[in-house]
Amino acid sequence: GAGVSQSPSNKVTEKGKDVELRCDPISGHTALYWYRQSLGQGLEFLIYFQGNSAPDKSGLPSDRFSAERTGGSVSTLTIQRTQQEDSAVYLCASSFTTSSEQYFGPGTRLTVT
Amino acid sequence: AQSVAQPEDQVNVAEGNPLTVKCTYSVSGNPYLFWYVQYPNRGLQFLLKYITGDNLVKGSYGFEAEFNKSQTSFHLKKPSALVSDSALYFCAVRAGQNFVFGPGTRLSVLP
Repeated sequence: GAGVSQSPSNKVTEKGKDVELRCDPISGHTALYWYRQSLGQGLEFLIYFQGNSAPDKSGLPSDRFSAERTGGSVSTLTIQRTQQEDSAVYLCASSFTTSSEQYFGPGTRLTVT
Repeated sequence: AQSVAQPEDQVNVAEGNPLTVKCTYSVSGNPYLFWYVQYPNRGLQFLLKYITGDNLVKGSYGFEAEFNKSQTSFHLKKPSALVSDSALYFCAVRAGQNFVFGPGTRLSVLP
């Protein structure tokens, strides 16, 4: 079946512009996660959605970052007034439950110039 | 607070030799432990997990991991390494509502 998809695969934007990153999780997966990975580095947790519960936003680095998940499926991560330090690969993952393994999308490589 | 440590940034092994990638964790409550692999220019892939039951867990591509509660470790192992195993490996732990990844260990298998 289809895996987790993310779009766009690459995004180059100018400093100060807003960007939206999209994630389509695996159908039926109730949990959805966003992470950030800098070049060759580990994963930095950003935000987590579980069903209809309020999201866990504890990993968002600043109030310029926000995310929503509509209808319990597609999620959008928005970064406002982008800064150069926002440049990274943004990964989305979904899982059937919060104790199940995560399935990762291919990521969106964001470059802020 | 939950945390995961992977004490080695880099592990080098010769093809055909056994490999071990180390992981230790700190969580409150019973841990759910995972290993993921990231091949060059590809997304993260699930390898194996420990939830409960046997301490030795077998996963994809011939990998296995041993859960050791007393040492709070979950080391990844493979009896005979392949060059194609060269990748970045991440240990992760879930306890309660949090999910934490280790910093990753780069494995290089030399022919």
